[in-house]
Amino acid sequence: QVQLQESGPGLVKPSQTLSLTCTVSGGSISSGSYYWSWIRQPAGKGLEWIGRIYTSGSTNYNPSLKSRVTISVDTSKNQFSLKLSSVTAADTAVYYCARVSLDTAMVFDYWGQGTLVTVSS
Amino acid sequence: DIQMTQSPSSLSASVGDRVTITCQASQDISNYLNWYQQKPGKAPKLLIYDASNLETGVPSRFSGSGSGTDFTFTISSLQPEDIATYYCQQYDNLYTFGQGTKLEIK
Repeated sequence: QVQLQESGPGLVKPSQTLSLTCTVSGGSISSGSYYWSWIRQPAGKGLEWIGRIYTSGSTNYNPSLKSRVTISVDTSKNQFSLKLSSVTAADTAVYYCARVSLDTAMVFDYWGQGTLVTVSS
Repeated sequence: DIQMTQSPSSLSASVGDRVTITCQASQDISNYLNWYQQKPGKAPKLLIYDASNLETGVPSRFSGSGSGTDFTFTISSLQPEDIATYYCQQYDNLYTFGQGTKLEIK
């Protein structure tokens, strides 16, 4: 069974860079059948897709966040990471990592439990 | 960017009721639409993919239909465990989620 687990600081100061890592277990991140994505959800609000990475390192980002987002992959550690720069209070949210299946309708089929990141001084 | 407009934003219904949620895309997305259920404090769970296909293990009271720009999600007979927020998601051009529909028991 594939499992994803987010990790990283729960508190980030305004203007700094938010950094999170997603560790994948029960399957290889190098499999060519998946994208690996980040999604976030402010408290009481909806889901916002942040970006995705393929095992090759190819990335796509949400246009509204593109200038501040970097997603990278470390296949040796079976991990992928998110960096979001110049954060403000508006970036406070639960951040999820998820797997996107290329075989079935680009569905987000496995998710991490989510990690709350608060932006505050 | 493709925008997804879900309605209603919240809905109150009784156990046994038929519940319908709509999702409208800002441009033609064929059938590239999925539906998710999210319960409080949990990650979303896939229910429907490609607009009308039921994910394995999901109860048959859940269904989806539509293509192009207009889509519908239906629960044929609402159960207490269906209380959650439901999201549509397009994948025609990257990914966009609808704003969600919070379903409550009347």
